[in-house]
Amino acid sequence: EPEVTQTPSHQVTQMGQEVILRCVPISNHLYFYWYRQILGQKVEFLVSFYNNEISEKSEIFDDQFSVERPDGSNFTLKIRSTKLEDSAMYFCATQEGDRNQPQHFGDGTRLSIL
Amino acid sequence: AQKVTQAQTEISVVEKEDVTLDCVYETRDTTYYLFWYKQPPSGELVFLIRRNSFDEQNEISGRYSWNFQKSTSSFNFTITASQVVDSAVYFCALSEGSAGTALIFGKGTTLSVSS
Repeated sequence: EPEVTQTPSHQVTQMGQEVILRCVPISNHLYFYWYRQILGQKVEFLVSFYNNEISEKSEIFDDQFSVERPDGSNFTLKIRSTKLEDSAMYFCATQEGDRNQPQHFGDGTRLSIL
Repeated sequence: AQKVTQAQTEISVVEKEDVTLDCVYETRDTTYYLFWYKQPPSGELVFLIRRNSFDEQNEISGRYSWNFQKSTSSFNFTITASQVVDSAVYFCALSEGSAGTALIFGKGTTLSVSS
């Protein structure tokens, strides 16, 4: 069964550094999402992306964050000047385009900011 | 106000017991979708089921069953004859609006099944 693939599985970064999290969507999926889960808490929506532009974003997704699909396959989340509170599990999800279909999640990237 | 409420933070059962996980949602949309996801200790999010707002038919899949009641805005999940492998955090989620909108998750219910 096709999977959403995320890399790296774990990223450790010094505070203030930039990080890029990568996601390879399922090939025929049209909608892409990033969510985050702070340890022990619920999953929170960050941003959705469709047709090469952001379609929706949450309050969490401020100027520190950006997304792009640079090569038509990888979907990336960039966090500039990381803060301690950015430490979380970041999940990529993709969806076929019919809202009757579920979002399929990758295994996540655990981001640890030191 | 929370849009998805999972009032049970933690539930502990012994193997073979039945267990029901509660989910209450809030939305003004007439068209919406409800989901359950499982997060085992390994951390990934596994899709279990989706329901649209026009389909109140209950569903059974093996040991899993779901009870969707619009009158009470609830979408409860029952595991019959629980097993140790069912131990996980279970999230209920809501999607409103048109295609491509965010999933709004509840805080999750941690289910521990002991042998």
